[in-house]
Amino acid sequence: DAGVTQSPTHLIKTRGQQVTLRCSPKSGHDTVSWYQQALGQGPQFIFQYYEEEERQRGNFPDRFSGHQFPNYSSELNVNALLLGDSALYLCASSLPRNTIYFGEGSWLTVV
Amino acid sequence: AQSVTQLDSQVPVFEEAPVELRCNYSSSVSVYLFWYVQYPNQGLQLLLKYLSGSTLVKGINGFEAEFNKSQTSFHLRKPSVHISDTAEYFCAVSDIARGAQKLVFGQGTRLTINP
Repeated sequence: DAGVTQSPTHLIKTRGQQVTLRCSPKSGHDTVSWYQQALGQGPQFIFQYYEEEERQRGNFPDRFSGHQFPNYSSELNVNALLLGDSALYLCASSLPRNTIYFGEGSWLTVV
Repeated sequence: AQSVTQLDSQVPVFEEAPVELRCNYSSSVSVYLFWYVQYPNQGLQLLLKYLSGSTLVKGINGFEAEFNKSQTSFHLRKPSVHISDTAEYFCAVSDIARGAQKLVFGQGTRLTINP
């Protein structure tokens, strides 16, 4: 049983560019969340998708947007990249009121 | 809103010694509590969770944690650590009323095991 898978694992972008990160949830999971983990910090909640709709959102600007597809996979999009967006982006999946499982993450470096 | 404070940013311990990683939380509502472990260059793995019932919960790799409601704490313990336990450990809470789907994490504690 494949767990949560994310792609790409590493990428480098230039300030002002846009990036798309992808996530496939654990088999059978219908809820996908995204977290940002800056170096030396704990993960911070960006937003959560359920039934293709954004259900909860953390304290992140509108430059951060997402999407969930009918097969429950998800994308995180970040526009107008800033140096401060450099971080590990973690995708997590779950069933409602159940254990949350994390992927290995996508390392984003903005130069 | 919830918040989590991990009282130690780094904990060095000798191999086979006991260890305790401290976590305190703040919340105006009932919460679930979790400990996750992150090995170098990897994602997060669930160690254990407290949902209800017995305040002493056992997890994987010989770890256990005790929920203390009066002190709003959820400290993680292991009686004898191994080199392989070297990792970053995160305490987290989630709001029961909102479906326990959003985790609020502490800053993490880096556990270093010395031979």
